Amino acid sequence: GQNIDQPTEMTATEGAIVQINCTYQTSGFNGLFWYQQHAGEAPTFLSYNVLDGLEEKGRFSSFLSRSKGYSYLLLKELQMKDSASYLCAVRNKAAGNKLTFGGGTRVLVKP
Amino acid sequence: GAGVSQSPRYKVAKRGQDVALRCDPISGHVSLFWYQQALGQGPEFLTYFQNEAQLDKSGLPSDRFFAERPEGSVSTLKIQRTQQEDSAVYLCASSLDRAGTGSPFAIGYGYTFGSGTRLTVV
Repeated sequence: GQNIDQPTEMTATEGAIVQINCTYQTSGFNGLFWYQQHAGEAPTFLSYNVLDGLEEKGRFSSFLSRSKGYSYLLLKELQMKDSASYLCAVRNKAAGNKLTFGGGTRVLVKP
Repeated sequence: GAGVSQSPRYKVAKRGQDVALRCDPISGHVSLFWYQQALGQGPEFLTYFQNEAQLDKSGLPSDRFFAERPEGSVSTLKIQRTQQEDSAVYLCASSLDRAGTGSPFAIGYGYTFGSGTRLTVV
């Protein structure tokens, strides 16, 4: 089976930086995804890591360490619209490349 | 259409009633996934299609759940004799690539989710 852990909730101030950690245990690792999900809406793709290191896309960056089974999503220059749930998902080649999700981290951005 | 379309957007069912949830994937997308998302939780895998073939149904919680994709495009998730624990958002996602083939670099970013169907069983 797979275990994916991320914090349940985080609060940060507008303009600040927040780091959401995700740890996982899996065999057949074939990439890690981060999605953003606003309440009542579809998850939308943020980032993808398959090799170790940092991927940067504007205000969002994602890091992966395969040996540690660890990833983080970094959100910089927080805006009120960034208040949402952030989902970490691992793709497993041994399981038909389906995505297995963590429970999600709800981020609340305060003024 | 441009995205993954799901209908209905909301469904209220009486306990014991049968329901059918529809997913229209992005045209040409080979792979289609169904997920169940309880309130405040991450999505849980239900089943996976590659074209019309259902390759993985290991996540279906009971034999009351049935999914089909007869022509390799539109898919329907059917729940028979609904129970209160079936209340959740049912998400559909599609992908251009054939999941399970080759190098991770050959499989891209292409999981696109629909907005889901919120099912409430009363």
